[in-house]
Amino acid sequence: SYELTQPPSVSVSPGQTASITCSGDKLGDKYACWYQQKPGQSPVLVIYQDKKRPSGIPERFSGSNSGNTATLTISGTQAMDEADYYCQAWDRSIYVVFGGGTKLTVL
Amino acid sequence: QVQLQESGPGLVKPSETLSLTCAVSGYSISSDYYWGWIRQSPGKGLEWIGTIHHSGSTYYNPSLRSRVTISVDTSKSHFSLKLNSMTAADAAVYYCARQTTPAARDNWFHPWGQGTLVTVSS
Repeated sequence: SYELTQPPSVSVSPGQTASITCSGDKLGDKYACWYQQKPGQSPVLVIYQDKKRPSGIPERFSGSNSGNTATLTISGTQAMDEADYYCQAWDRSIYVVFGGGTKLTVL
Repeated sequence: QVQLQESGPGLVKPSETLSLTCAVSGYSISSDYYWGWIRQSPGKGLEWIGTIHHSGSTYYNPSLRSRVTISVDTSKSHFSLKLNSMTAADAAVYYCARQTTPAARDNWFHPWGQGTLVTVSS
């Protein structure tokens, strides 16, 4: 079965750039999307089709995908960005695969 | 704007069947989008359960396929989840969400309902 691997945690200082990775076999040949989930809330789509932002998502959120790794980048990270982030991709065997999630801490 | 709201019992006994409904408002459930169920065990990550189209076409997670049934009622603008033979491992927050074509490489969920907590206990 297809698996997506994320680091359990990432820390960043306010105003700095946070990068969260998502690794999977030939992930660059698929599309990746990203969700933000704050405590007690539902996930929110922040990036789809590797790098597109849904309406209402700040420009500081960006994405890329190449080779075996997709990356979510948050520029000028703010305290409000502290949350869990999940990547998701398609696989022909299961259709929907989620990564294990990364807890972003803004120190 | 599209809104989704899950409803159903918060407590299910072991071996029984979970039944949840997701009401869709602000958008036609008979549109080109699909409608999915995802769950999240306490403190854990997200797990896709399955997805349905208004035509009745369904897609299921192979690991849950034998226990899951998803149906749609376009007249009531809602879709439903049934998960049988519940165990403690099925305790989770269950979310419904609108999804792009699950069979396509670029599928995603947006937006999500608020989620409903399901506990499994006798």
